[in-house]
Amino acid sequence: DAKTTQPNSMESNEEEPVHLPCNHSTISGTDYIHWYRQLPSQGPEYVIHGLTSNVNNRMASLAIAEDRKSSTLILHRATLRDAAVYYCILIALLTGGGADGLTFGKGTHLIIQP
Amino acid sequence: NAGVTQTPKFRILKIGQSMTLQCTQDMNHNYMYWYRQDPGMGLKLIYYSVGAGITDKGEVPNGYNVSRSTTEDFPLRLELAAPSQTSVYFCATGHNEKLFFGSGTQLSVL
Repeated sequence: DAKTTQPNSMESNEEEPVHLPCNHSTISGTDYIHWYRQLPSQGPEYVIHGLTSNVNNRMASLAIAEDRKSSTLILHRATLRDAAVYYCILIALLTGGGADGLTFGKGTHLIIQP
Repeated sequence: NAGVTQTPKFRILKIGQSMTLQCTQDMNHNYMYWYRQDPGMGLKLIYYSVGAGITDKGEVPNGYNVSRSTTEDFPLRLELAAPSQTSVYFCATGHNEKLFFGSGTQLSVL
């Protein structure tokens, strides 16, 4: 799986939108972009994933650049409960990638100020 | 529907002791995974299994053993515990699009 680059930490205010960037300049055509987050003292949880088009679900939105070399996870209205480490991971789903486990980097530590 | 259940939640071991970390899933997934997470770091894959009777090494398998006799259970065995194995251990199940993680076992080896 190709590598991703994320900022070590970001800070935002409660009830404001948060844009978490991820660079993946070596992404291949079969790589899906996945986001997980890890709340304090918990295991990671799935947030969202996409291939080319922007995606929305109840937790967040995923905006994917046209050349797919970067993506942004958008939390529309951050709450204190969104304070977590957010991981951006590429998975070659179409060629069986991910079956042998996901590769987690250090992620972005999101701090939410009240 | 409990998802992924890990026991114990906390454990302190002395150097050289052995123990088994238990992981059970009720989601009927074939794939199961064991990760460890050191402070301030991302997760590293220890072992994984694609189905009952099949296991494979991940990135950091040394010092650990696993077995997969049923779809539901995937225990992780530590033989001769060492301080370097002090970590938080997470079990996960699922496949490709989505993994589901347990709440973790915090292990200290002193």
